[in-house]
Amino acid sequence: SQQGEEDPQALSIQEGENATMNCSYKTSINNLQWYRQNSGRGLVHLILIRSNEREKHSGRLRVTLDTSKKSSSLLITASRAADTASYFCATGTSGSRLTFGEGTQLTVNP
Amino acid sequence: ETGVTQSPTHLIKTRGQQVTLRCSSQSGHNTVSWYQQALGQGPQFIFQYYREEENGRGNFPPRFSGLQFPNYSSELNVNALELDDSALYLCASSPGLAGIQETQYFGPGTRLLVL
Repeated sequence: SQQGEEDPQALSIQEGENATMNCSYKTSINNLQWYRQNSGRGLVHLILIRSNEREKHSGRLRVTLDTSKKSSSLLITASRAADTASYFCATGTSGSRLTFGEGTQLTVNP
Repeated sequence: ETGVTQSPTHLIKTRGQQVTLRCSSQSGHNTVSWYQQALGQGPQFIFQYYREEENGRGNFPPRFSGLQFPNYSSELNVNALELDDSALYLCASSPGLAGIQETQYFGPGTRLLVL
């Protein structure tokens, strides 16, 4: 079963705009990770935020985590056409098992 | 490039057949996990192996089985294939056991079609 739910399911923006994707989850977590997937290929790790962290940055990515609301958001600033992909949040609980959400399909129009 | 490879890239089988998918992890990564991703969905955890022993299993029947070898390669075997087994199968490796704070490195996947 899926733990995370991403919102929106699909997002279409123009190049240069910011893209925000949200993720909600149900149980306590050790960490939350965001992955990117191009055209049904392998997943690429973007960023990991631990349960005791509230915000993290990596290049044009900004992730926030609110454990009281069991939610996270991924912000991509100054988007590019190459950012077009599916984005998944995944929660880490026991061991190395990751529980993924359904994903957000981001389209960045040139 | 994650350093994780999978073979084959694509595979077509018929219902009732058996299939073996292969994964080569990064050197030094003792943990490998397998995921099934149906079209339009997020990956679902099948099972995990740590140092050649199963270390956790998702909600998949026993006809899904695996092996991990000392040379950082692993296999996913599926017996008695069903139409619903059609999916992208992903393996992911990570260095340690608990992996609580660890990134997983995914291979490009094997796309299986069951007719």
